[in-house]
Amino acid sequence: EAAVTQSPRNKVAVTGGKVTLSCNQTNNHNNMYWYRQDTGHGLRLIHYSYGAGSTEKGDIPDGYKASRPSQENFSLILELATPSQTSVYFCASGDAQCSINERLFFGHGTKLSVL
Amino acid sequence: SQWGEENLQALSIQEGEDVTMNCSYKTYTTVVHWYRQDSGRGPALIILIRSNEREKRSGRLRATLDTSSQSSSLSITAAQCEDTAVYFCATDPQQGTGSKLSFGKGAKLTVSP
Repeated sequence: EAAVTQSPRNKVAVTGGKVTLSCNQTNNHNNMYWYRQDTGHGLRLIHYSYGAGSTEKGDIPDGYKASRPSQENFSLILELATPSQTSVYFCASGDAQCSINERLFFGHGTKLSVL
Repeated sequence: SQWGEENLQALSIQEGEDVTMNCSYKTYTTVVHWYRQDSGRGPALIILIRSNEREKRSGRLRATLDTSSQSSSLSITAAQCEDTAVYFCATDPQQGTGSKLSFGKGAKLTVSP
């Protein structure tokens, strides 16, 4: 079974502060993704990565940076957190090179509150 | 938006009943994923149907895909309390490396004893 671990599970941050959300996967998947989930919007893609050293912008990248230092780790960075970034963030890894066959495996999520 | 209006649903049924959730999308997709999300957990893939498949079954689950009407459905037969969850469909109009899935808003299913 795929294992994607996110930390922390909950985070309270102050406006203007820096926040780093971490994700680790033990499946040796090349692809990793960061989504946020808000009521009324479903899941929206922020950044994704095809492998170590690679990061790509998703549908809503503004205000976020991503870092993929290794196959296993993918971080989401909020340099200057704002209350609008209060949300639940999900990391996922993907198990195929071809999108038609790829399955995503999600972590349990990080609940972020920016005050 | 990739999605039609009918993607936001809340369904309440009794154990043993059958239920169908619908998903419509606006642009071409090579595949439709169906995920379920339990409270406090991340989404988990339950069934994946490709554009060359009209129907896919997995246990009590049945997914259909009609590319001409750009719609998909997920049916659960003889629902059980443990089927209570939010169900999402997701499409991927990209063809190439990696998925950039677009998720619908989900359908909250509550199954009562």
